[in-house]
Amino acid sequence: ILNVEQSPQSLHVQEGDSTNFTCSFPSSNFYALHWYRWETAKSPEALFVMTLNGDEKKKGRISATLNTKEGYSYLYIKGSQPEDSATYLCAFRGGNTGFQKLVFGTGTRLLVSP
Amino acid sequence: DAGVTQSPTHLIKTRGQQVTLRCSPKSGHDTVSWYQQALGQGPQFIFQYYEEEERQRGNFPDRFSGHQFPNYSSELNVNALLLGDSALYLCASSLGSLAKNIQYFGAGTRLSVL
Repeated sequence: ILNVEQSPQSLHVQEGDSTNFTCSFPSSNFYALHWYRWETAKSPEALFVMTLNGDEKKKGRISATLNTKEGYSYLYIKGSQPEDSATYLCAFRGGNTGFQKLVFGTGTRLLVSP
Repeated sequence: DAGVTQSPTHLIKTRGQQVTLRCSPKSGHDTVSWYQQALGQGPQFIFQYYEEEERQRGNFPDRFSGHQFPNYSSELNVNALLLGDSALYLCASSLGSLAKNIQYFGAGTRLSVL
């Protein structure tokens, strides 16, 4: 059974703080790692799709790194704002076939206070 | 450009009943995946449809079935509902079935089984 773990489970920071979360996944048979941002009562929104070891991706104040050899990815938020409050999900795809089966972690719930 | 739309938004059923959930993919997308998110868990993959065929299936019983229509829209059917089927059901669409392709999610259907 594939296990994707995210930590911490929840996080409460003040506006302006920088923060980071961890996603751990199997280090063998890696294909892709997705990050999603999910605000309450909205649709999950794709942030990044990462496929190569050492990948670094950036979108505004949010960035992510990938280490497929040791099986982890970090998501960083620089200068958190209240609108960053959401659940951040990572999803792992292993195997060598083209069809998508994403295995999700349980998410990190971020609350940013003004 | 409409994103992924799901209907209904909320649904209440009783044990033993059958339910059909619907999903319209993002314009231009041909692949639809269904996920179940139970309370406190990450989304769990149910199955994926591409070219009107089920391409991959997660660990869900045969009570869960689906269909994809020529216009790429999709239905998820659940027979003989159990209390444990209460969850948020998410539909995601993508262009092609490759694991590195971004999946776009709908806001989900909240199913309550009494």
